[in-house]
Amino acid sequence: NAGVMQNPRHLVRRRGQEARLRCSPMKGHSHVYWYRQLPEEGLKFMVYLQKENIIDESGMPKERFSAEFPKEGPSILRIQQVVRGDSAAYFCASSPTSGRRRDEQFFGPGTRLTVL
Amino acid sequence: AQSVSQHNHHVILSEAASLELGCNYSYGGTVNLFWYVQYPGQHLQLLLKYFSGDPLVKGIKGFEAEFIKSKFSFNLRKPSVQWSDTAEYFCAVKNFGNEKLTFGTGTRLTIIP
Repeated sequence: NAGVMQNPRHLVRRRGQEARLRCSPMKGHSHVYWYRQLPEEGLKFMVYLQKENIIDESGMPKERFSAEFPKEGPSILRIQQVVRGDSAAYFCASSPTSGRRRDEQFFGPGTRLTVL
Repeated sequence: AQSVSQHNHHVILSEAASLELGCNYSYGGTVNLFWYVQYPGQHLQLLLKYFSGDPLVKGIKGFEAEFIKSKFSFNLRKPSVQWSDTAEYFCAVKNFGNEKLTFGTGTRLTIIP
């Protein structure tokens, strides 16, 4: 059973460009979470999604950031008009719908975004 | 809002030494508690978790943690560390009824052979 997959692993963008980060959850998982880790800081929650629904976006910046988890395909975190302060590692996690491991989040390897 | 403190940013130990990493959280309601580990070049992996019951929980690779509700703490321990324990360790808390994890800033552990 493959783990959580994220791509790309490294992404370089110039200021003003768009960044698209993809996350494929583990098989059988329908809950996806995005976290951001700035240098020298812990992971900070951004958004929690289920298929076709945003459940909690309390950690998302109000502008330029959006997330989706369509019925088919990976979850996408989209950052428009990137700025240098968006440079960070972005981690995706997934959890199963039910079962004894329902409350565990399984993490992907992360995408390191560098904004030039 | 929930916050998590990990007091030690970088710990250096010799092999066979005992380990204790501190973790404190701020919100006093019902919580679920986790320790994650990130080995060099790898993704975050769950080390152990506490949901309810016995406050002393045992995880993988000989790690354990004790939940002390009165101190809002969930310290990680290992009686004898190995070189392969070199990694970054993150404490995380989830408030009951809320899905998001609140992480500490992490503790980098370096084991000297």
